[in-house]
Parts: sequence; structure tokens; C-alpha cells
Amino acid sequence: KAGVTQTPRYLIKTRGQQVTLSCSPISGHRSVSWYQQTPGQGLQFLFEYFSETQRNKGNFPGRFSGRQFSNSRSEMNVSTLELGDSALYLCASQWTTGGTETQYFGPGTRLLVL
Amino acid sequence: QQQVKQSPQSLIVQKGGISIINCAYENTAFDYFPWYQQFPGKGPALLIAIRPDVSEKKEGRFTISFNKSAKQFSLHIMDSQPGDSATYFCAASRSGSARQLTFGSGTQLTVLP
Repeated sequence: KAGVTQTPRYLIKTRGQQVTLSCSPISGHRSVSWYQQTPGQGLQFLFEYFSETQRNKGNFPGRFSGRQFSNSRSEMNVSTLELGDSALYLCASQWTTGGTETQYFGPGTRLLVL
Repeated sequence: QQQVKQSPQSLIVQKGGISIINCAYENTAFDYFPWYQQFPGKGPALLIAIRPDVSEKKEGRFTISFNKSAKQFSLHIMDSQPGDSATYFCAASRSGSARQLTFGSGTQLTVLP
């Protein structure tokens, strides 16, 4: 199976703009989680979607939002970008088998806000 | 309550040596503890994971030791190789929320040839 796909891989935006990132999970995986990775804060959970419904949300401002489509593909949107939003945004899809849940991460989208 | 503290921040070992990374958690509701390996330009990849009903789990050269009473767990990499040079993250989550991982701050491991 193909792994988790994230597009674009790199993005440069300016303050005040908005951005949309896309994630395609592994075929058959219905749960998608998003994480922000920065040198200062490390890996932080943004939100998780399952069957088009947001099930969990991390401690991020409302400028960060997401959605999931019926084919399990997910998008996250960041509005009114700030310099501090520069980060690697990681998407993970999850598979549960035998009671064990495993997250598979994509390569990430590196966002630079100028 | 949600923190996972990881140490050391960086680690240098000789080829063939043992690498040990430690993590401590606060939330006693955590019951799933995975370790991830991340290479530059890549997303984290699951190495090994443990649940608190066992004190140790071994997969190849990687071993997790778990101490429930101390709320600590550690990763041991035996016979460390230069190819193991990467950043390692411990994480934790609660049952039913394994998709919401709380990560440690990471350990940059360098294995010298």
C-alpha cells in the first residue's frame, strides 16, 4: 500500500494570508490526525478526524481548522497566518488491528511564513 | 498533567554501544507508549510500542522498559549502528485516544562509526 501522502511538501506564505494543506491517508484508513512540529514546541496534536467528523482537538486557536472528506482525505486550513505558524505540519493515518492502534505519519508539509 | 518529559536532548554513542533514552509521564490515564524514529525530511516512523500490562518489550535491537509505579519508560537500542542516527520521540496516549499522542521533546542520537 502507498503511504500517507501530503501536499504540497513546501510552502512559503506571508503574514495575514491563509493556507490549505492536504493529506491522503493510507488506503482503508479512516482516521486522520494532524500535528504541528516546531523546534521550540516539538510535536503538538492539532486535531483528529474520523468518518468526516472531528473527534479530538488540541489546544490551538480557531485559526487552525480542518475537515475530512468521504474518501478519508483531509485538509487543514490556517487563516491569518502568523510568523509563529512556520512549522512542519504532519498528517498521520491510523489503523487498528487486534486492539493495537498504530499511527503512520506522512512526510509533512513545511510551511514558512514571512 | 499532559506532559511527557524526555531525556537526554542529545546522545552520542559509539558503534556497537547501547543507546538509552528515558521518558517520564504525569497522566496516569496514559496506557499506550510508542516510540518514534524520525530522519531529516521524513515524518516520524513507529519503532516499538508498549502497554502498561508488561514491563518490557523487545523487537530486534530495540527494547522498551516500562516502570508503571515510577511513571517512566525507556528505549534501549542495542548494538547501535550509524544508520540509527536520527531523532527519537517517546509518546503517550489514553485508550480510545491513541490518535491524540502527547510527544516528548525528542532525542537526537548520533552513532559514531
